[in-house]
Amino acid sequence: DAGVTQSPTHLIKTRGQQVTLRCSPKSGHDTVSWYQQALGQGPQFIFQYYEEEERQRGNFPDRFSGHQFPNYSSELNVNALLLGDSALYLCASSLNRVNIQYFGAGTRLSVL
Amino acid sequence: AQSVTQLGSHVSVSEGALVLLRCNYSSSVPPYLFWYVQYPNQGLQLLLKYTTGATLVKGINGFEAEFKKSETSFHLTKPSAHMSDAAEYFCAVSALRAAGNKLTFGGGTRVLVKP
Repeated sequence: DAGVTQSPTHLIKTRGQQVTLRCSPKSGHDTVSWYQQALGQGPQFIFQYYEEEERQRGNFPDRFSGHQFPNYSSELNVNALLLGDSALYLCASSLNRVNIQYFGAGTRLSVL
Repeated sequence: AQSVTQLGSHVSVSEGALVLLRCNYSSSVPPYLFWYVQYPNQGLQLLLKYTTGATLVKGINGFEAEFKKSETSFHLTKPSAHMSDAAEYFCAVSALRAAGNKLTFGGGTRVLVKP
């Protein structure tokens, strides 16, 4: 049983560029959440998708957007990258109405 | 709103000694509480969780935590540290709502195990 998978594992971009990160949830899960973990800090909630809709959002600007597909996989898009967007981006999946989230290994984004 | 405070960003223990990591939370609704572990350059692995029922919960790798509502605490312990316990540990709080169940994390505690 595959767990949560994320791609790519590492990414280097320059300021102003756009990036797309991908996540496949654990088998049977229908809810995907995204978190940003800056160096030396705890993860911060970006948003959560369920039934292809964003149903909860953290305190992140509109430059951060996402999508969930019918197969429950998800993308995180970040536009107009800033140096401060450099972080580990974590995807977590869960089953709706079951409050346990399982995390992928993350995508490390470096913005130069 | 929910928040988590982890006391001590770094903890150093000797191999075989007790590991105690402190976590205090704030929540306006009955909380769900979690401890996750993160090894270098990896994602988060669930150690244990409290949802409802028994307040002493046991997790993987010999860890356990006790939910104390009166103290708003959920401290993590392990009787005897092993070298493989060196990692960063995160306490998190959530609430199961129709509007979503985001996790709010503490700042983390990095554990160093001395031989």
